Amino acid sequence: DVKVTQSSRYLVKRTGEKVFLECVQDMDHENMFWYRQDPGLGLRLIYFSYDVKMKEKGDIPEGYSVSREKKERFSLILESASTNQTSMYLCASQGQGYQPQHFGDGTRLSIL
Amino acid sequence: DAKTTQPTSMDCAEGRAANLPCNHSTISGNEYVYWYRQIHSQGPQYIIHGLKNNETNEMASLIITEDRKSSTLILPHATLRDTAVYYCIVRVAGLAGTASKLTFGTGTRLQVTL
Repeated sequence: DVKVTQSSRYLVKRTGEKVFLECVQDMDHENMFWYRQDPGLGLRLIYFSYDVKMKEKGDIPEGYSVSREKKERFSLILESASTNQTSMYLCASQGQGYQPQHFGDGTRLSIL
Repeated sequence: DAKTTQPTSMDCAEGRAANLPCNHSTISGNEYVYWYRQIHSQGPQYIIHGLKNNETNEMASLIITEDRKSSTLILPHATLRDTAVYYCIVRVAGLAGTASKLTFGTGTRLQVTL
């Protein structure tokens, strides 16, 4: 079974802090994704990566950056956290072509 | 990606089959149908996917109509743990060196009852 592990289930940070969310997958997948999920807005893609050191902006990249130094790890960085970044953050990984995306359990992040 | 339409909610008695419909009348030839579910406060869980043939795995069966404009997810013996929001998604397979996002609609809230 595919395993996507997010470093924290719940996280509380203060405005202005730099926040790191980590995601690791164990299936040697090329593609990894970061989404956020908010009530009434569904899932929105923040960034994705289709290879090591490669990244592409999704629909809402402002205020975020990502890092992919190793194939199995994809990190999401909130450069200076703000209250409107309070959300559920979901990481996913996917093999090539039509293979499905597999999600982690999510990190519920609160910015105070 | 093609838009999908699902009923807002459905009920199912435990032990009975749950049949969840999805309409995707604008699907194109190279788009796959994927089903996910999300239990409250957890990440989406992949269930099954298909292109045009019916598919079955240990979780569910996927029936796709011949014209591919609709599909049905079947949970053969629903349990209380199957209570969740079920999402039907249509997506183009990504080419090597690219990736395509998933667009979740509002889904169907399935309530399994005793």
